[in-house]
Amino acid sequence: DAGVIQSPRHEVTEMGQEVTLRCKPISGHNSLFWYRQTMMRGLELLIYFNNNVPIDDSGMPEDRFSAKMPNASFSTLKIQPSEPRDSAVYFCASSLTGTNSPLHFGNGTRLTVT
Amino acid sequence: GNSVTQMEGPVTLSEEAFLTINCTYTATGYPSLFWYVQYPGEGLQLLLKATKADDKGSNKGFEATYRKETTSFHLEKGSVQVSDSAVYFCALSEENYGQNFVFGPGTRLSVLP
Repeated sequence: DAGVIQSPRHEVTEMGQEVTLRCKPISGHNSLFWYRQTMMRGLELLIYFNNNVPIDDSGMPEDRFSAKMPNASFSTLKIQPSEPRDSAVYFCASSLTGTNSPLHFGNGTRLTVT
Repeated sequence: GNSVTQMEGPVTLSEEAFLTINCTYTATGYPSLFWYVQYPGEGLQLLLKATKADDKGSNKGFEATYRKETTSFHLEKGSVQVSDSAVYFCALSEENYGQNFVFGPGTRLSVLP
């Protein structure tokens, strides 16, 4: 089992640029979550999908953030335009609903916006 | 709504000391409970879990018991090692439409040799 795979591992970009983060969940998992982690705010849920459908996006900070899950094996989180306050580590996680199964996290993407 | 509260850190202990990290929760139903650990530069990893009252989760010398009467899931280890230095997160999940996870703020543990 390859686990949850995120790319890129690190991203450095300038303010105003578009950033796209990618995630491949564990095969067979039907729920996918995007989290953001900062020292100030800790771990924040941005959005989660169940069977590729967004269920709760109330944590998405503003319209600059968007997430898609076109199929069961791929999701993206896009920030356009990026701002320095978006600098954080972004985690993707997946699970299998209906089984009390835990979340499995990727190793994250460290985003720095200058 | 559901919530998780855990003790404020950081916690600093000497090697071989006893560890307790308190965790309490509020939930509308019957959640599953988890402890996750995060080492520097890595994602969160599942440490242990319990799915019903009085269940005890255990892994790598860590233990936690699901106490419904006190809505608690305290993490314990009898003898910590330097390699246990990390951030520990208590979490719950409940099946609604999909699976809703709620995490505590995390407790940073530093173990000194």
